[in-house]
Amino acid sequence: AQRVTQPEKLLSVFKGAPVELKCNYSYSGSPELFWYVQYSRQRLQLLLRHISRESIKGFTADLNKGETSFHLKKPFAQEEDSAMYYCAFQGAQKLVFGQGTRLTINP
Amino acid sequence: DAGVTQSPTHLIKTRGQQVTLRCSPISGHKSVSWYQQVLGQGPQFIFQYYEKEERGRGNFPDRFSARQFPNYSSELNVNALLLGDSALYLCASSLIFSGRDHSPLHFGNGTRLTVT
Repeated sequence: AQRVTQPEKLLSVFKGAPVELKCNYSYSGSPELFWYVQYSRQRLQLLLRHISRESIKGFTADLNKGETSFHLKKPFAQEEDSAMYYCAFQGAQKLVFGQGTRLTINP
Repeated sequence: DAGVTQSPTHLIKTRGQQVTLRCSPISGHKSVSWYQQVLGQGPQFIFQYYEKEERGRGNFPDRFSARQFPNYSSELNVNALLLGDSALYLCASSLIFSGRDHSPLHFGNGTRLTVT
C-alpha cells in the first residue's frame, strides 16, 4: 500500500537547536517526495522537493531509498519555523500525505 | 494576491443534505485537485481535473462528485451528507497535469464543512 508515515505528531525544540522531522514512505515505484508546510493562518505550501536537492529556509531533506525515508533537517531552528509540516509523495495523479508533524520552536 | 480562492469559507449542514463547494484556480492553471482533511490527519486526495476531464479519483464513495468548467474553476458536490464528512476541504491548482513531471500544488484556504 502507498503510505507516508510521520511518527511524531508533535515536536518541540529550542531556538538554535537542530531539528529533524521524520518521514518514512511505502511505495513500490521510484518515489518523488516533498515537504509541504503550513504556517499559522496561512495556506499549505510547498517547502521543498527531493529532486531539486535544494535548501529552503535552511531546511534540507535527503531521500534514503534503503531506509525508505525522507527526513527534513535544519541545523539551527528559528522561531519562525514553528508550523505544521507534511511529508508527501507523488502517486498517480495525486499527492499522498502523511498525517503531519506540528513543530514548535521555543525561545 | 491572486491565489486559489474557495467559497464558502465555512458551512454547516445537517445529515442527508447536499453541499456544493467552489474553487477558482490561479490564473493560467488548468489542473484542479480536491483534498479532504479531517482533523488531525493529512490531506487525502478526492479528485483531480485537468482540461475539464477527471484524471484521478481517490477512495471516496459515489456521493462525492466534481466537475471543472471552461474557465477551469471547479465544484465539489457531496450528496447525502454523513457526520463523517465533516472536514476541511482543500482545493489546489497547478499549471499542468501532474504525472511524473510534478507541477507544485497551490492550495486554497479551504472550506470548513460541519455536518450535524
